[in-house]
Amino acid sequence: DSGVTQTPKHLITATGQRVTLRCSPRSGDLSVYWYQQSLDQGLQFLIQYYNGEERAKGNILERFSAQQFPDLHSELNLSSLELGDSALYFCASSVTGRGQPQHFGDGTRLSIL
Amino acid sequence: TQLLEQSPQFLSIQEGENLTVYCNSSSVFSSLQWYRQEPGEGPVLLVTVVTGGEVKKLKRLTFQFGDARKDSSLHITAAQPGDTGLYLCAGANNAGNMLTFGGGTRLMVKP
Repeated sequence: DSGVTQTPKHLITATGQRVTLRCSPRSGDLSVYWYQQSLDQGLQFLIQYYNGEERAKGNILERFSAQQFPDLHSELNLSSLELGDSALYFCASSVTGRGQPQHFGDGTRLSIL
Repeated sequence: TQLLEQSPQFLSIQEGENLTVYCNSSSVFSSLQWYRQEPGEGPVLLVTVVTGGEVKKLKRLTFQFGDARKDSSLHITAAQPGDTGLYLCAGANNAGNMLTFGGGTRLMVKP
């Protein structure tokens, strides 16, 4: 158990819809990271937050947004969903935002029908 | 854009055999991490290597970081069925906050 909690574990929805994925980092970790894992693209970094502020951005679509709240949990919002958004979405956390090992949750499997 | 090429993509071996997984890039990374992922779970960190030429051992697993910090290898001695899984390498940028993952090596060890 990494200590990173992601909900829900599975999500099934339709094209055009909007969903919110939630992540609670390990106790004491200030930074959260979001990743997308698909069969054809592998594991790709989306975005990082540190203590409530955006720190780094990767290959995140404009239809996707995220935030980190004062209690340090984070949410990833995906809108105008397309079939290609079907993937595993992972959250990771680390103590600081730099050079620390990242600990991953078990992911949310998103299926778009 | 930093890219990491991992090879082989798939590996099926018998229990007791040795194997090596390679992770190569044309980019320099501040550190390189190896993860193992099992179905239905997130990647689990195995090791972080930071210094060029560094070698780390974790029981039957040996990790090496290239001198130029562009490549890495994972060697497993006497593989066991419990080693089955997806092995991922990930390079960190200079700020240490963005990981670029390789495509993964799916290992199956048959009893």
